[in-house]
Amino acid sequence: DAGITQSPRHKVTETGTPVTLRCHQTENHRYMYWYRQDPGHGLRLIHYSYGVKDTDKGEVSDGYSVSRSKTEDFLLTLESATSSQTSVYFCAISDPGSVMIEAFFGQGTRLTVV
Amino acid sequence: DAKTTQPNSMESNEEEPVHLPCNHSTISGTDYIHWYRQLPSQGPEYVIHGLTSNVNNRMASLAIAEDRKSSTLILHRATLRDAAVYYCILSSGTYKYIFGTGTRLKVLA
Repeated sequence: DAGITQSPRHKVTETGTPVTLRCHQTENHRYMYWYRQDPGHGLRLIHYSYGVKDTDKGEVSDGYSVSRSKTEDFLLTLESATSSQTSVYFCAISDPGSVMIEAFFGQGTRLTVV
Repeated sequence: DAKTTQPNSMESNEEEPVHLPCNHSTISGTDYIHWYRQLPSQGPEYVIHGLTSNVNNRMASLAIAEDRKSSTLILHRATLRDAAVYYCILSSGTYKYIFGTGTRLKVLA
């Protein structure tokens, strides 16, 4: 299994509070991604990073910010959580310039905003 | 970003071949075609990818149309463990993997 760790795995938080989810990799892959998954919507890309301090928006970036200060860590922050951000969040990594082109996904973080 | 279209659901009998179609009529010349699957309560996992030629690996085969506007993932002998949501996605030059809603495959014993 690719070395991807998401933390926390489960979190319940109150509306209006800040929340940070962490994705940690041990594979030295250049690209990292954050997705959210809701029933009936498949996976939707929130933000992605193509290197340290290099990030870009995905399909559903409103209300989320990200940071990548080290190759191995990609943080997703909800500045003020809302109930619509209740979801399962997946982190993924890939290294498109290498032989192994595929993306590897973490086990997910289930976030509930009450 | 080029989009893909897949049927919402398909059924197959166990130990029979399954052909999962994907349309990508706006694919560009440099887009790779990727397939991932997501088992219940897990993150997606890579299945196969290709550019122009048909591809085989231990999990599946990928048949790509000559005009590249469609592709088919082939599971040669479906098992109950193959029941999952299968996603066909295109990787553009920005490597933004955009997933659709996929095809939910049900395998009947």
